[in-house]
Amino acid sequence: DIQLTQSPSAMSASVGDRVTITCRASQDVSFYVAWFQQKPGKVPERLIYAASSLQSGVPSRFSGSGSGTEFTLTISRLQPEDFATYYCLQHSSFPYTFGQGTKLESK
Amino acid sequence: QVLLVQSGAEVKRPGSSVRVSCRISGYDFTSYGIDWVRQAPGQGLEWMAWINPNNGITKYVQKFRGRLTVIADKSTRTAYMDLTNLGPDDTAVYFCSSGNYGFDHWGQGTLVAVSS
Repeated sequence: DIQLTQSPSAMSASVGDRVTITCRASQDVSFYVAWFQQKPGKVPERLIYAASSLQSGVPSRFSGSGSGTEFTLTISRLQPEDFATYYCLQHSSFPYTFGQGTKLESK
Repeated sequence: QVLLVQSGAEVKRPGSSVRVSCRISGYDFTSYGIDWVRQAPGQGLEWMAWINPNNGITKYVQKFRGRLTVIADKSTRTAYMDLTNLGPDDTAVYFCSSGNYGFDHWGQGTLVAVSS
C-alpha cells in the first residue's frame, strides 16, 4: 500500500500568513493527488485535484503543486475561514490512502 | 445540482451488521466511481472501498477482511455499503463520495455507533 506522510501534523499561523503543507508518497503516484479541507463536524471539501487543479469555487489563494512523490498545498494569504484540518489523498492505485491530516490553528 | 444523500444514523450492537445507502442525483449514475470513506471520532479520513457502478467492479482495503461489501443499484441510482461483524472500532461517520476525478461530491455522512 502507498503511504502518505503529511507534514506538519499541526501548525499555528496568523491571518495573512503564507502556509505550506507537504505530502510525501512512499511510491510514485504521478499527479493523482487531491487535497481536502475539513472543518469540525463538516463534510470534507476538495480544494485541489490532479495535484494542481483548483476546484471550482475554491478561492485562488489555494494552490497545489508537485508530482511523483512530493506534493504541496499552499495558502498564499491565510484567511480566518481557512483554519481547519487539511488532508491529502492519493488515488493512483488501490487501496487509495489519505495522509494523516494537518491541523491548522490560529496563532 | 449534484446530490449524494445518505441514510440516517444507526446504533448497532457488537457483532451485528449495518447497511448505509447513498442515493445520487444530478448526473449520470454510471459516469463515475463511488468511494466510501469513514472517520472515527477525532480521527482522520480512512478510505474503505470503491465501486464502478457501470459494471459492479469493486476494490476494498484489505483491513476489512471480507466484512465489507459495496454495491451499486443502477435502477435506483443508489450505492450501498454493508459492514458485518461490527465492533466498537467501527464507530465512525461513513461517507460516500463520487464525481469527476473522484471525491468531487460527498454525502452528508452517516454516523454508525457500535455499543453494547
